Amino acid sequence: NAGVTQTPKFRILKIGQSMTLQCTQDMNHNYMYWYRQDPGMGLKLIYYSVGAGITDKGEVPNGYNVSRSTTEDFPLRLELAAPSQTSVYFCASSYPRAQTSSGTDTQYFGPGTRLTVL
Amino acid sequence: QKEVEQNSGPLSVPEGAIASLNCTYSDRGSQSFFWYRQYSGKSPELIMFIYSNGDKEDGRFTAQLNKASQYVSLLIRDSQPSDSATYLCAARGDSSYKLIFGSGTRLLVRP
Repeated sequence: NAGVTQTPKFRILKIGQSMTLQCTQDMNHNYMYWYRQDPGMGLKLIYYSVGAGITDKGEVPNGYNVSRSTTEDFPLRLELAAPSQTSVYFCASSYPRAQTSSGTDTQYFGPGTRLTVL
Repeated sequence: QKEVEQNSGPLSVPEGAIASLNCTYSDRGSQSFFWYRQYSGKSPELIMFIYSNGDKEDGRFTAQLNKASQYVSLLIRDSQPSDSATYLCAARGDSSYKLIFGSGTRLLVRP
């Protein structure tokens, strides 16, 4: 299993440009998440999905959009990039708690995408 | 506003000592708590989770939870230089899929 993969690893955008951050997991997890991590800070939830076709906003959704057409993929779209979106973006996935022997849904993280908006 | 608070550190301990990392949370509805380790430039990886009051041990790691005081801690025994990392505490309500993360505590283990 590759686990959670993210592309690209690094990207520099100009203000106003758009891009899509890709996230794929091969663990057949129902739940997927997008976080951003600013320097010296914890992770803030941007969007999450509990299954194909179902997405919902997290703490900091403004300026982003998501879609979930398959179980495996959960792309994050940035429209009209702004310097405030400079951050490291992590995708994560998990099983629902009821489907785990541990009774809790461990989130597995991808390697991250480092985005700079200039 | 649901919050998870951690001292940013750095917490510096000598090799072989016990490192004690602390976390408080504001939402009394939080039910499950997670400790993630994050090396510089890497993604977080789960070390332990706890959802019952008391202690939970896993090798050199012990998580402690006190729901009355809204306090979670992580003890690392026999600290090694390879334990040097940022430790993130996260909390989740029982009916929520969402984790609320603290800003992390940076641990330095001196050889």
